[in-house]
Amino acid sequence: KNEVEQSPQNLTAQEGEFITINCSYSVGISALHWLQQHPGGGIVSLFMLSSGKKKHGRLIATINIQEKHSSLHITASHPRDSAVYICAVREGGGADGLTFGKGTHLIIQP
Amino acid sequence: DAGVTQSPTHLIKTRGQQVTLRCSPISGHKSVSWYQQVLGQGPQFIFQYYEKEERGRGNFPDRFSARQFPNYSSELNVNALLLGDSALYLCASSLEVRTPQHFGDGTRLSIL
Repeated sequence: KNEVEQSPQNLTAQEGEFITINCSYSVGISALHWLQQHPGGGIVSLFMLSSGKKKHGRLIATINIQEKHSSLHITASHPRDSAVYICAVREGGGADGLTFGKGTHLIIQP
Repeated sequence: DAGVTQSPTHLIKTRGQQVTLRCSPISGHKSVSWYQQVLGQGPQFIFQYYEKEERGRGNFPDRFSARQFPNYSSELNVNALLLGDSALYLCASSLEVRTPQHFGDGTRLSIL
């Protein structure tokens, strides 16, 4: 079973700062997801990656398959970015759903 | 377009009771997955269904069961509820088994 570790667990930063959240996993995967969860529970899918790098607006996600590591970056952070960011992986073999990290609780202060 | 819808949004039950949670996927999505998220933790995989057949099951007891209907909607059933079943239950739908998943807002289940 894959072990998904995220760091940091909690992060407080000032508006405008560059944010990095890290995710590492233990077993080879077919895809890695970055998700955003706001208070109240709703989850939004930000990225699905199997290699390289993806960018959407101020968000950038990278993955290094050899090192079993992914990062989520937020440029020019804003208070509305405050949320829990969750990394989740799907293993290579089959349809066993996603394995999630515990999430990184991000607070951006004005 | 409607996203993934779950009902009810909140539910309170007592120990030993049974509960049924419902999920309607995005139109055209054939796969539905269920997850349990205990407060302060990441979600845990319970089931995945595709074309009305179970395609995957997480490490949950037999008290948990699910099914998918011909219109691709799904129900999650939990019998003999325990205090530890208190959680947010999330449903996610996807076009196929391994395509990106779209999540509903969840059903918050409280067991007294």
